[in-house]
Amino acid sequence: EKVMTQSPATLSVSPGERATLSCRASQGVSIHLAWYQQKHGQAPRLLIYGASTRAAGIPARFSGSGSGTDFTLTISSLQSEDFAVYYCQQYNYWPYTFGQGTKLEIK
Amino acid sequence: QPQLQESGPGLLKPSETLSLTCTVSGGSVSSDTYYWAWIRQPPGKGLEWIGTIYYSGTTYYNPSLRGRIIMSVDTSKNRFSLNFTSVAAADTAVYYCAREAGDGYYYMDVWGKGTTVTVSS
Repeated sequence: EKVMTQSPATLSVSPGERATLSCRASQGVSIHLAWYQQKHGQAPRLLIYGASTRAAGIPARFSGSGSGTDFTLTISSLQSEDFAVYYCQQYNYWPYTFGQGTKLEIK
Repeated sequence: QPQLQESGPGLLKPSETLSLTCTVSGGSVSSDTYYWAWIRQPPGKGLEWIGTIYYSGTTYYNPSLRGRIIMSVDTSKNRFSLNFTSVAAADTAVYYCAREAGDGYYYMDVWGKGTTVTVSS
């Protein structure tokens, strides 16, 4: 299976600042990469698919980039509601695999 | 936007079979546009894809769980199900169902709220 590695495990950022989260695939997954946000006690929510396409209703401050093995999720100006855990997931190969998550916390 | 709702027993004993159902409202499991998935999350850990089913009954399972899981779809009741045999404590998790959307390659665009399953003697 394709291993997805996210870094850092925890990211401390102040509100209003930019956050950059990374995801690396053990083998190229083209652009078939999604990002999800999960708040405590809630289900994951789709943010980005196709590596860079925002899902419906997702604010423009969320952006994704990358292809092949290296991907980035950027949140341009952090709002209080953005502090959560973020997961990347490849859907290029069976079995689908997720990264271990990056916890974005308030600095 | 459809809604997905998981249902099933909250507590099982080791070696029992877990049966979960995901009921879809505001959409149809018979649509040829979407696939339907199960994902789980052990306490304090990350997400694990369990398997995916198409309305026709075609299934894709995680090889790490193959042999223990069977997924099915009931178009008359607009729902799909997961049967998971011989559960153990390691299967304790929140189980989510989700819709997969895409065009050739599918991502999970709508999720249920999840149901907590505990395996304990």
